[in-house]
Amino acid sequence: DAKTTQPPSMDCAEGRAANLPCNHSTISGNEYVYWYRQIHSQGPQYIIHGLKNNETNEMASLIITEDRKSSTLILPHATLRDTAVYYCIVSADETSGSRLTFGEGTQLTVNP
Amino acid sequence: GAVVSQHPSWVICKSGTSVKIECRSLDFQATTMFWYRQFPKQSLMLMATSNEGSKATYEQGVEKDKFLINHASLTLSTLTVTSAHPEDSSFYICSARDRIRTQYFGPGTRLTVL
Repeated sequence: DAKTTQPPSMDCAEGRAANLPCNHSTISGNEYVYWYRQIHSQGPQYIIHGLKNNETNEMASLIITEDRKSSTLILPHATLRDTAVYYCIVSADETSGSRLTFGEGTQLTVNP
Repeated sequence: GAVVSQHPSWVICKSGTSVKIECRSLDFQATTMFWYRQFPKQSLMLMATSNEGSKATYEQGVEKDKFLINHASLTLSTLTVTSAHPEDSSFYICSARDRIRTQYFGPGTRLTVL
């Protein structure tokens, strides 16, 4: 699986948009970009995933660059409950059997 | 959304005993489940991939005889930590893959071996 690079930490003001970047410059054509988050002492929570096109759901938006070498997860109106470690993972069924390799992620702290 | 449960949520046991952790997909069938381990202040590490009706595939460095995995149905996988020792104390998390291949995670099981 392609390696991802994320900033170790970010801060965001409550009510503002949180934009979390991820670099995956070695991504292969069949690899999806997944985002999960983990609140302290809980299991990871699925947020969103995409292949080429931008995606949006009730939790967040995923913006993938045209060359697919980077992406940004957007939480449009961050709340204190969004404080968590956010993981960006690339994975493909064909090469990894859907195995997810977790890096260190980004610790997002939403401040009041 | 898809829900995955784990039982127990926490367990304390004596060194040398065995502990079984259950992972269930509550509202979908999962032909594949995964088991992860997370030590304090570290990221999740994949231990094994569990396929319904077949033997689990273990990651390098994970002892298959110590961490027994059974995936007897499309909604249940179990992880048994045999002859547990204090170094096995960790946060064990399972995930289940749905039909469109998205993984959903359980809440985790905190194991403490005395």
